[in-house]
Amino acid sequence: EIVMTQSPATLSVSPGERTTLSCRASQSVRSNLAWYQQKPGQAPRLLIYGASTRATGIPARFSGSGSGTEFTLTISSLQSEDFAVYYCQQYNNWPLTFGGGTKVEIK
Amino acid sequence: EVQLVESGGVVVQPGGSLRLSCAASGFTFDDYTMHWVRQAPGKGLEWVSLIRWDGGSTYYADSVKGRFTISRDNSKNSLYLQMNSLRTEDTALYYCAKDIGAGSGSYTFDYWGQGTQVTVSS
Repeated sequence: EIVMTQSPATLSVSPGERTTLSCRASQSVRSNLAWYQQKPGQAPRLLIYGASTRATGIPARFSGSGSGTEFTLTISSLQSEDFAVYYCQQYNNWPLTFGGGTKVEIK
Repeated sequence: EVQLVESGGVVVQPGGSLRLSCAASGFTFDDYTMHWVRQAPGKGLEWVSLIRWDGGSTYYADSVKGRFTISRDNSKNSLYLQMNSLRTEDTALYYCAKDIGAGSGSYTFDYWGQGTQVTVSS
């Protein structure tokens, strides 16, 4: 099973700041990596797939990069609605696995 | 508008059984692979199972293999999860999720339901 490790566990950020979240895979997943956002009491929302392709309706301030084992999600200017938990997910190997999440909180 | 509505979650004793349902609308259901994903209280996401568009292939997480069975009825636009031999560690919010890709699937989830709560407790 591929283990996905996200860092940091919690990120304290001020609105308007740029922030970068990291996701590492225990073995190569090529570009088969997705990012999701989850707010309290809500279902997850797909942000990025294919490591760097924004899903439908996702604002341009969200961008993804990386391949192989190292990936990043960048939010260029944090808005109030972006404070949430973010998960990465690999879909290169069975079983499909998620990272433990990074919580982005208001500083 | 795509909608996924789960139902069937209840409190059940360890060793018990349960069947979850997911009613889909707003897209051509029988074109897409469908998934179940769960989230234990205060924890992260865990993929549980998938079924391809025609029901011909199914996959399971090791944690549920042999106990859970995924199925679908394309005539009813519905997805199911039969859960047997339930354990306390199966306690979670269970989400139904649509695969982003038509056909065999791309294994990412572009639409999710709001979830149905399963609690396994004596």
